[in-house]
Amino acid sequence: GAGVSQSPSNKVTEKGKDVELRCDPISGHTALYWYRQSLGQGLEFLIYFQGNSAPDKSGLPSDRFSAERTGGSVSTLTIQRTQQEDSAVYLCASSTQGFNEKLFFGSGTQLSVL
Amino acid sequence: AQSVAQPEDQVNVAEGNPLTVKCTYSVSGNPYLFWYVQYPNRGLQFLLKYITGDNLVKGSYGFEAEFNKSQTSFHLKKPSALVSDSALYFCAVRDKTAGNTPLVFGKGTRLSVIA
Repeated sequence: GAGVSQSPSNKVTEKGKDVELRCDPISGHTALYWYRQSLGQGLEFLIYFQGNSAPDKSGLPSDRFSAERTGGSVSTLTIQRTQQEDSAVYLCASSTQGFNEKLFFGSGTQLSVL
Repeated sequence: AQSVAQPEDQVNVAEGNPLTVKCTYSVSGNPYLFWYVQYPNRGLQFLLKYITGDNLVKGSYGFEAEFNKSQTSFHLKKPSALVSDSALYFCAVRDKTAGNTPLVFGKGTRLSVIA
């Protein structure tokens, strides 16, 4: 596709359930990021994939959060046993290799945990 | 560790007046600096970046930002604000010398331009 695609755009779930959020980056982009945007909290870094390097997981808030990137392309962010504080917009971004390259963001997944 | 501070949650400016959105950063080495904008109901978009060279960087929609190493700042500016500039603005930094590290964003500043 022409841009970063995220699905679903909205997800409502019950506390304690697991959810999976998907990100399709721009073709050829080697770097992929997940961020979380909460009201008043700005953009919180979660996890970063760069090529074949081990992902930087330093931003994951708890062991309930995990992410994988298959074949260097599609990424899935999984949240297990969701809590109400997990409610936020989850944003995915991709870029070409290079630390000075701009990020291209998807439209995000609005997660609501009831 | 790298970090970004946007000291103002909200900036209000009258249409036609100059606007400034403030950003300060902290890195161990030298920074790559970015500004992104989020318009209502739209995704985050890149505005401009500072990599090296001229301290004054020009970007999209008439925006510019000035890198000031002594003050560790990278304030976003526009000479004449438009109502359509109303949006959420994010500053971001990456340490050039820190290797393979993620881009770190500030908390954002909401700009409201009043007609």
